Amino acid sequence: QVQLVQSGAEVTKPGASVMVSCKASGYMFNNYGVTWVRQAPGQGLEWMGWISTYSGNTNSAQKLQGRFTMTTDISTSTASMELRSLRSDDTAVYYCARLRTYGSGSYADYWGQGTRVTVSS
Amino acid sequence: QSVLTQPPSASGTPGQRVSISCSGSSSNIGSNPINWYLQLPGTAPKLLIYSNNQRPSGVPGRFSGSKSGTSASLAISGLQSEDEADYYCAAWDDSLNGWVFGGGTKLTVL
Repeated sequence: QVQLVQSGAEVTKPGASVMVSCKASGYMFNNYGVTWVRQAPGQGLEWMGWISTYSGNTNSAQKLQGRFTMTTDISTSTASMELRSLRSDDTAVYYCARLRTYGSGSYADYWGQGTRVTVSS
Repeated sequence: QSVLTQPPSASGTPGQRVSISCSGSSSNIGSNPINWYLQLPGTAPKLLIYSNNQRPSGVPGRFSGSKSGTSASLAISGLQSEDEADYYCAAWDDSLNGWVFGGGTKLTVL
């Protein structure tokens, strides 16, 4: 069955960087993209970006550009994201999800369990 | 503030039909398909509806989606206690060149 397993919780300081990994199984990894979504405590969902596992092309939210990077490793079926220059408002649960695209749209059909990232001095 | 607008809360009694609205603009709902996600407390979101009104396998037929112009709606018929969750709409936004979400609607089953 399709599974996305994310790395464990992180506690880090303002100004530092954090990397979250997402290991996929149960499907052909390079046939689907990966998208990243985060959720601050008590808040709604916020889209961060997506990456094509086939081409490596990425697209990320404007507010994160410059400090957000997504990568994939086809050999291990793993997607990763790195967020740099962390601020307290980056404290959130970070989710990866498999991205399914079709003619006119796309959607996230399988999600990882989430990784809690806490930014605190 | 979220780009897509949802009511913060909705409620209904078991067996009732409830509807959750999602309002956007010509750059998102008006020109792109909408998806709906359900999130139980402390868990990851789950896909409920994609491409306006399509249900993934495993999603009961009592969940349905519709879209008209720049608004969309999720309907749940035969409400059950396990439907108590947060519901989010999402769509691609051509102006922002990214996905946008609604702020979420907390559904309470009375």
